[in-house]
Amino acid sequence: DAGVTQSPTHLIKTRGQQVTLRCSPISGHKSVSWYQQVLGQGPQFIFQYYEKEERGRGNFPDRFSARQFPNYSSELNVNALLLGDSALYLCASSLVNTEAFFGQGTRLTVV
Amino acid sequence: GQQVMQIPQYQHVQEGEDFTTYCNSSTTLSNIQWYKQRPGGHPVFLIQLVKSGEVKKQKRLTFQFGEAKKNSSLHITATQTTDVGTYFCAGDNYGQNFVFGPGTRLSVLP
Repeated sequence: DAGVTQSPTHLIKTRGQQVTLRCSPISGHKSVSWYQQVLGQGPQFIFQYYEKEERGRGNFPDRFSARQFPNYSSELNVNALLLGDSALYLCASSLVNTEAFFGQGTRLTVV
Repeated sequence: GQQVMQIPQYQHVQEGEDFTTYCNSSTTLSNIQWYKQRPGGHPVFLIQLVKSGEVKKQKRLTFQFGEAKKNSSLHITATQTTDVGTYFCAGDNYGQNFVFGPGTRLSVLP
């Protein structure tokens, strides 16, 4: 079975631009969470979606948004990119309240 | 909001030595998870602890959950070079999503 897949793997954007990151969960997993990991730090929770509804939101500005589709895949959108948004963006899928399976992440660089 | 701290931030050990990382939450947790992230990789689930005072072992790894469910520890016996990486704890504050600690980076010298 395929694990959690994320695309793209790497991305370079200019300040002020918008970006969309994509995530396909493990088959059967209805919960998808997004994390931001800055180099040298732990993953910071951004969003959790379950059954296409937002179940949780971390302490991130409104420039960050996400959605989950009927097939449980998910997109993370970030508008008006800032240099500080440069990070590894991780998607994790899980059953409810069980271990999270992380994708390889999308490395976003804002220049 | 909930805060999760880990100590030490870095640990350098000689191969064969033991290693322990400690995790402390500002709030009582419903459960805690531990993850390992190799350099350049993504976090990989190690274990979940749910019960107060719970102790679980995985080969050379021993995980403990404190009686008050606010702290946890991971102990590795006789480290190997394959143990290199950053170890994260992640606390679940009763459904308010997992909060990751900053991690402990382990280096093992051969």
